[in-house]
Amino acid sequence: NSKVIQTPRYLVKGQGQKAKMRCIPEKGHPVVFWYQQNKNNEFKFLINFQNQEVLQQIDMTEKRFSAECPSNSPCSLEIQSSEAGDSALYLCASSLSRDRGANSDYTFGSGTRLLVI
Amino acid sequence: GDSVTQTEGLVTVTEGLPVKLNCTYQTTYLTIAFFWYVQYLNEAPQVLLKSSTDNKRTEHQGFHATLHKSSSSFHLQKSSAQLSDSALYYCALSDRENAGAKLTFGGGTRLTVRP
Repeated sequence: NSKVIQTPRYLVKGQGQKAKMRCIPEKGHPVVFWYQQNKNNEFKFLINFQNQEVLQQIDMTEKRFSAECPSNSPCSLEIQSSEAGDSALYLCASSLSRDRGANSDYTFGSGTRLLVI
Repeated sequence: GDSVTQTEGLVTVTEGLPVKLNCTYQTTYLTIAFFWYVQYLNEAPQVLLKSSTDNKRTEHQGFHATLHKSSSSFHLQKSSAQLSDSALYYCALSDRENAGAKLTFGGGTRLTVRP
């Protein structure tokens, strides 16, 4: 069982609807990532956080996607207006901050599979 | 930008025979961490191997890989494939100098081991 908990496991939304998914990172991991895994099993990085602060995000995330990692609450990724092309597996991962010389693992959750119809 | 290439999308091998999954990369990072992840059906990707040392062999669960910076490669090998090895395999890299750096993944290779 993964130490990164993602909910819900499955999500079905109509086009234009909001879609929200949550992630509880591994205990002690301050860095959280969101990836989209498409139907061809390719990974696309969306956004990452260290504690509550955004480190990096792609353009797509800035426009229709919003994400946050509030203190003492699960992290979340929300698509404001779902499109058919958003149908994918959304994976959350967490890691330790990497000090110089360290080789921190990234722990992945099992994902939320979104279907936009 | 940085990129990871896995040339085979699909590899099929007979149980007991050796298997090799290719991974090459391009990066501007000065120090790099490399990973092989394995993803079984409907499960989370999990790390199989990791390395950041040039020309040092890394082994785990019968698999091994050696980072070769001279050829920009980190191929995954196993001497005797098992049925339970059937899964998706991803090569990935990240910047070791950057705290919280994202992983850059290859396109993945689906390994099927047949009896």
